[in-house]
Amino acid sequence: QQQVKQSPQSLIVQKGGIPIINCAYENTAFDYFPWYQQFPGKGPALLIAIRPDVSEKKEGRFTISFNKSAKQFSLHIMDSQPGDSATYFCAASKGSNYQLIWGAGTKLIIKP
Amino acid sequence: DAGVIQSPRHEVTEMGQEVTLRCKPISGHDYLFWYRQTMMRGLELLIYFNNNVPIDDSGMPEDRFSAKMPNASFSTLKIQPSEPRDSAVYFCASSSGDRPSGNTIYFGEGSWLTVV
Repeated sequence: QQQVKQSPQSLIVQKGGIPIINCAYENTAFDYFPWYQQFPGKGPALLIAIRPDVSEKKEGRFTISFNKSAKQFSLHIMDSQPGDSATYFCAASKGSNYQLIWGAGTKLIIKP
Repeated sequence: DAGVIQSPRHEVTEMGQEVTLRCKPISGHDYLFWYRQTMMRGLELLIYFNNNVPIDDSGMPEDRFSAKMPNASFSTLKIQPSEPRDSAVYFCASSSGDRPSGNTIYFGEGSWLTVV
């Protein structure tokens, strides 16, 4: 029940396309859902996050869609660029618990 | 701010040797985390501290691993003796804890450990 399942494991999209990465969770107590972006040789960095009281959040070209009833959330990247090529991790946590439950990661490649 | 600073960035050591990884968190952050990342197991939380006190070390794989935080600006993760299966990237991260939940966790660039 503590797992966050992320798919796909890898994704290749042409420049300008809209890659979509999906995550599903079981624990309805989760109340914070961040996405982290990791470039090769670097640590993960927070990209965007959402709470279950909203269904969508946009920051620039990045959008999180949240479906509370389905217990799923997804990351969309509009007008994707080669510089977006990275590994993306979804995660979840509950309350003041700092133990983020991480998805397995999606390696995204944007082809020029 | 300089961000979370880790050292060494890369270390190659022989099986059985002691390895010490070091971390300086972001100034003012009162939470510090040690993570391990491998292809097989992804990101694993090993231990985290709040105000220099270990809160949860349930992720520490075995007694060969130990972590300390003697003050608010320094932490170490020690592996003794090291084994080839310990080869991984070890990340230190910190967070401010200024909100009741959902505080951003800031990662260092990692220490790449290879045990041969």
